[in-house]
Amino acid sequence: GAVVSQHPSRVICKSGTSVKIECRSLDFQATTMFWYRQFPKQSLMLMATSNEGSKATYEQGVEKDKFLINHASLTLSTLTVTSAHPEDSSFYICSADGTGSEQFFGPGTRLTVL
Amino acid sequence: DAKTTQPPSMDCAEGRAANLPCNHSTISGNEYVYWYRQIHSQGPQYIIHGLKNNETNEMASLIITEDRKSSTLILPHATLRDTAVYYCIVSGGGADGLTFGKGTHLIIQP
Repeated sequence: GAVVSQHPSRVICKSGTSVKIECRSLDFQATTMFWYRQFPKQSLMLMATSNEGSKATYEQGVEKDKFLINHASLTLSTLTVTSAHPEDSSFYICSADGTGSEQFFGPGTRLTVL
Repeated sequence: DAKTTQPPSMDCAEGRAANLPCNHSTISGNEYVYWYRQIHSQGPQYIIHGLKNNETNEMASLIITEDRKSSTLILPHATLRDTAVYYCIVSGGGADGLTFGKGTHLIIQP
């Protein structure tokens, strides 16, 4: 149990385009989902907290108009990177809060912006 | 900033117990100690968490000192597949996002 999936696992796009990443909790419902990003050889950094049916809460320094988050159901949250640039290339990882206060992470999405 | 301090790397022989230390001297009374690990290019995997008491599950044991200022994660019989970066995190749990430090890169030697 407690499986979180992400799609796609890997995406390459041209500078200026938008990319959507999906995060699904497969066997449980998650009121809260989180989005992190990880640059090479660095640790995970929390980007935003996504609550079902309400606006996401963004961490300081994360542009809400660039990283659009939608949490339309208890099993799906999406992150859209708008007008992507090479500096947005990173490993994007979502997580969902479980029933015992732990978080379950997805496998991550590797974004490369050319 | 992360509220935990961990050694950057550790080695352990396969089949032996791996003991990973973590200092969290500023932990608050309502904060849990969580351990996650991340194998290269994958999402983090939850291992265990605790508040005050020692905890054990099928993956590991967590020993928390009485003053809660430090803890140790124990992998009882390390295998090569346990090679990963291990993160010790303090958090109130639930709806709180996690603040990851640099973690400990555990390398299991054959």
